Amino acid sequence: DVVMTQSPLSLPVTLGQPASISCRSSQSLVHSDGNTYLNWFQQRPGQSPRRLIYKVSNRDSGVPDRFSGSGSGTEFTLKISRVEAEDVGVYYCMQGTHWPWTFGQGTMVEIK
Amino acid sequence: QVQLQESGPGLVKPSETLSLTCTVSGGSVSTRSYYWNWIRQPPGKGLEWIAFMYYSGGTNCNPSLKSRVTMSVDASKNQFSLTLTSVTAADTAVYYCARGDILAVAGRGAFDIWGQGTMVTVSS
Repeated sequence: DVVMTQSPLSLPVTLGQPASISCRSSQSLVHSDGNTYLNWFQQRPGQSPRRLIYKVSNRDSGVPDRFSGSGSGTEFTLKISRVEAEDVGVYYCMQGTHWPWTFGQGTMVEIK
Repeated sequence: QVQLQESGPGLVKPSETLSLTCTVSGGSVSTRSYYWNWIRQPPGKGLEWIAFMYYSGGTNCNPSLKSRVTMSVDASKNQFSLTLTSVTAADTAVYYCARGDILAVAGRGAFDIWGQGTMVTVSS
């Protein structure tokens, strides 16, 4: 299985400051069709996960533009330009390139 | 607006079979565009993709569970289901159903709609 490794696992952030989460895969996530299937999900406390980003950098409708995704190959990043209180939660990267689809361990974002 | 709602037994005894259902509202399960998934989350832990199924019948599941997992779609009830046999304590988790977005648009594994989740405990 492709192992997705996120860092840090815990990220205390001051309101209004930027935050960055790294996600590394044990294999390249470039599919044979040329696409890279790397998605990001947010899980707020007590809620179901919610998709933020698909195919590395495509932000979902309704997701604030302070969220952005980037990366290629085996290294990917989710950035929050200015953290707000509603951003508290656990963030997961997930690869859809290789079977079985696998998630990272999650990164907990909290306010300092 | 499409919504998903899981339902299930809550408590299952070891070695027995777990059956879960996901009811789709605001849309149709018998679509050729989307696919239907089960994902679980053990208490305090991360997410694990279990399986997906298209209405047309195409399916795939996590090899770690493959011999124990069956998915089905019931268009008449607008539902899809998961059956997991020979459960153990390791199967204790919140089980989510989720819709897989259109492949040509969002790609693989891009779950765009999730249910609220249902907690399943395996215990005697």
